[in-house]
Order: sequence, then structure tokens, then C-alpha cells
Amino acid sequence: NAGVTQTPKFRVLKTGQSMTLLCAQDMNHEYMYWYRQDPGMGLRLIHYSVGEGTTAKGEVPDGYNVSRLKKQNFLLGLESAAPSQTSVYFCASSSRFGANEKLFFGSGTQLSVL
Amino acid sequence: AQSVTQLGSHVSVSEGALVLLRCNYSSSVPPYLFWYVQYPNQGLQLLLKYTSAATLVKGINGFEAEFKKSETSFHLTKPSAHMSDAAEYFCAVSRGGSNYKLTFGKGTLLTVNP
Repeated sequence: NAGVTQTPKFRVLKTGQSMTLLCAQDMNHEYMYWYRQDPGMGLRLIHYSVGEGTTAKGEVPDGYNVSRLKKQNFLLGLESAAPSQTSVYFCASSSRFGANEKLFFGSGTQLSVL
Repeated sequence: AQSVTQLGSHVSVSEGALVLLRCNYSSSVPPYLFWYVQYPNQGLQLLLKYTSAATLVKGINGFEAEFKKSETSFHLTKPSAHMSDAAEYFCAVSRGGSNYKLTFGKGTLLTVNP
């Protein structure tokens, strides 16, 4: 009963390096989301996807790119990491795209950019 | 625009005492309201949600919340705290027909003292 799985769990990058965070869900959910969590800021939406092959910008998309080539996977990329991107990243998914739908979250990726 | 304010970034209670976590929202239309819980090193889990069916909402682990339109509040309560309730709690508000408009509060860290 995996649910939403994120890899890696921890990563340290140097400024300017690139990396990709992988999110995989086994619930056949259509909708997937990437959030970042910063102390005292709550969660902020980076990008989301309403289905395979589609993505859209959220509240804080700058500096990130995403891809949804397969329904079960949602990738978050940092092309040139900056210290401001030090954060905990959460992936989430939902079965429907409604205002009252429950989100299922992964356990997070802690990223430090030096 | 919608927003949510959680009063108190840190709440400390004794085991067996009442838990009260405060959340106030602003929304131009009737909102959907949620409480999520985040245990250490885990992703967020849905505790309960309000979707206009009933003003008193019961969730998991003995938590409940009451929607008060006149006070624009959705406070979370539990009659008797348990050590396992120690976690961070997030209030969230959504409106309209899309999940990507889900706005999270900054979170309240609950500690439970023996």
C-alpha cells in the first residue's frame, strides 16, 4: 500500500547544479501536485497536472519545470539550483479535481542548496 | 481572494487536556475548509473537511471542528490530548471548482507534555 512515493528523501546541491525529483503514485489518480514547504510559510503550490501530458503553473513556479509523461509519475526539475530553493518538497495526488477533494501526500524531499 | 490565518504557531498542552487550534478564513464565497496533520518526517494527512453538509465535522483520531460563519472560523478541538497527537496542524481553505486554489495556513505545532 505505497500511495505516493517521493525520491530522493534528502539531497544537497551546490548553487547552479540541476536535479530532478520523482513522484510516483499507485492509486491511478488523474491529478498530481508539487508543493514546497518553508518554515512559517505553510505549503505553496509550485506546479500541478490534470492528466498525463498536461501541466500548469501554481503559485510559485519560477525556477522549476515539471513533466507528466506517464499518469503515475510527476517529475519536478530544477535546472540551476539557487539557495532560495532550499526547502522541503511534497508531491500530492487526488482522484478528482474539485474544491473539496482530499489530497494524498508523499513523505517529502528535503533539499538543501549551498 | 481567499486566505487562512492560524492563530498561534506553537501550542503546548498537557496530556489529557483540551486541544484547541484556531483557524480563521476569509473568502468571498462559501468555502471548503480542511484540517491536515503532519507527523514528524511524514507527509500531510487529511484530518477532516467541511463541505457545508454539517457545521460540526468529526475527523479521525477524535478530532472535530466547527464551522462558524459569523466568526469566519473553523477551530480544531480534541477533548483529551494524547502524546501521539504531537504534530503540526494545517488549516486550508478552498473555493470554486479546482483544487489548485487550495490555500494553506502557516501551520500550528502542537506539543503534548506528559
